[in-house]
Amino acid sequence: DAGVTQSPTHLIKTRGQQVTLRCSPISGHKSVSWYQQVLGQGPQFIFQYYEKEERGRGNFPDRFSARQFPNYSSELNVNALLLGDSALYLCASSIVRSANYGYTFGSGTRLTVV
Amino acid sequence: AQSVTQLDSHVSVSEGTPVLLRCNYSSSYSPSLFWYVQHPNKGLQLLLKYTSAATLVKGINGFEAEFKKSETSFHLTKPSAHMSDAAEYFCVVSEDAGGTSYGKLTFGQGTILTVHP
Repeated sequence: DAGVTQSPTHLIKTRGQQVTLRCSPISGHKSVSWYQQVLGQGPQFIFQYYEKEERGRGNFPDRFSARQFPNYSSELNVNALLLGDSALYLCASSIVRSANYGYTFGSGTRLTVV
Repeated sequence: AQSVTQLDSHVSVSEGTPVLLRCNYSSSYSPSLFWYVQHPNKGLQLLLKYTSAATLVKGINGFEAEFKKSETSFHLTKPSAHMSDAAEYFCVVSEDAGGTSYGKLTFGQGTILTVHP
């Protein structure tokens, strides 16, 4: 079975540009969450989507947005990129909404803003 | 609010010796606790999880962790380190706030484990 897949694996963007990252959850998983991992730090929660609705949001500016499609795949959009947005963006999926059972993570998208 | 403190940013051991990675947590409710491992340029892999059952939790690759509520700790151990254990380890907490949860995992800052031959 395929795990959580993310695309692209690497991306270079210029300050001020917009970027879209994609995630396909494990088949049957209805919950998708996004995390940002800046170099040298632990991942930080950005969003959770469950059954196509936003269920949780971390402390990130409105430049960050996301959505979940009927097939439960998800996109993360970041507008007006800043140098500080350079990070590894991780997608995680689970069958249920609760985080108490843990998530399965993808390998991430490495975003570099120059 | 939930938080996690990993007490060591770096731990260095020799192959075949025990591993101890320390983690303290803070939670207003009954937490679920996890350890994840991240190898260089890879995603996160779940090592083990505690969800209010047995306090001693066994995970993959010979790792185990003990939940101690009185000490608010969840330290990760392995009797004998292997070269392949070299990676970054994250202690993670999730709160079950009165039966509701909005799916947030809170990560510690990570501990880099180095294993010497």
